[in-house]
Amino acid sequence: NAGVTQTPKFQVLKTGQSMTLQCAQDMNHEYMSWYRQDPGMGLRLIHYSVGAGITDQGEVPNGYNVSRSTTEDFPLRLLSAAPSQTSVYFCASSATMDSYGYTFGSGTRLTVV
Amino acid sequence: AQSVAQPEDQVNVAEGNPLTVKCTYSVSGNPYLFWYVQYPNRGLQFLLKYITGDNLVKGSYGFEAEFNKSQTSFHLKKPSALVSDSALYFCAVRDEAGGYNKLIFGAGTRLAVHP
Repeated sequence: NAGVTQTPKFQVLKTGQSMTLQCAQDMNHEYMSWYRQDPGMGLRLIHYSVGAGITDQGEVPNGYNVSRSTTEDFPLRLLSAAPSQTSVYFCASSATMDSYGYTFGSGTRLTVV
Repeated sequence: AQSVAQPEDQVNVAEGNPLTVKCTYSVSGNPYLFWYVQYPNRGLQFLLKYITGDNLVKGSYGFEAEFNKSQTSFHLKKPSALVSDSALYFCAVRDEAGGYNKLIFGAGTRLAVHP
């Protein structure tokens, strides 16, 4: 089925470890973004991309890196995991930045101990 | 800065009764408003949006939302609730600050529909 695929679904990291959350979409969407969801805080934008080779920071970018080498993939890298990064991470895409009917992946639940 | 507020953490309603999930907004300029739904262990799904035009917006799964400029509200409604409507609902507003468009989400309202 077409959509946004995130892997892994669950991950436990130790403080200081690094890892990459994968996100892939097969809808040829230009716009992709990463959000984190924390209880009582809704979703907050981490990084976004408006096309291959173009990325920029969102509201809460510290501790995360992204790259967009292809239209399909938008991985999120945690450089040195901290307990404050324990969260549920969602990748979302849309045809363009101005298309607001975002398609979300099913999320990655990350715990940093 | 643009913002939305969802004043209720949880809404309880009996199946078959009408439901309302509240959202108020604060924006400069014309508001672009959205509702998303999140079912357990799933990503958010787009329900509906208001950009311009009729104040009553119809969306997926029988939901609709009423835009009220004087009250700065965008409440989500459904005439007859189903148990399967139980989920987490998010209101969102477009924000153009920083030179890019993004959605600002509210904290979410959990809807529980009881048989």
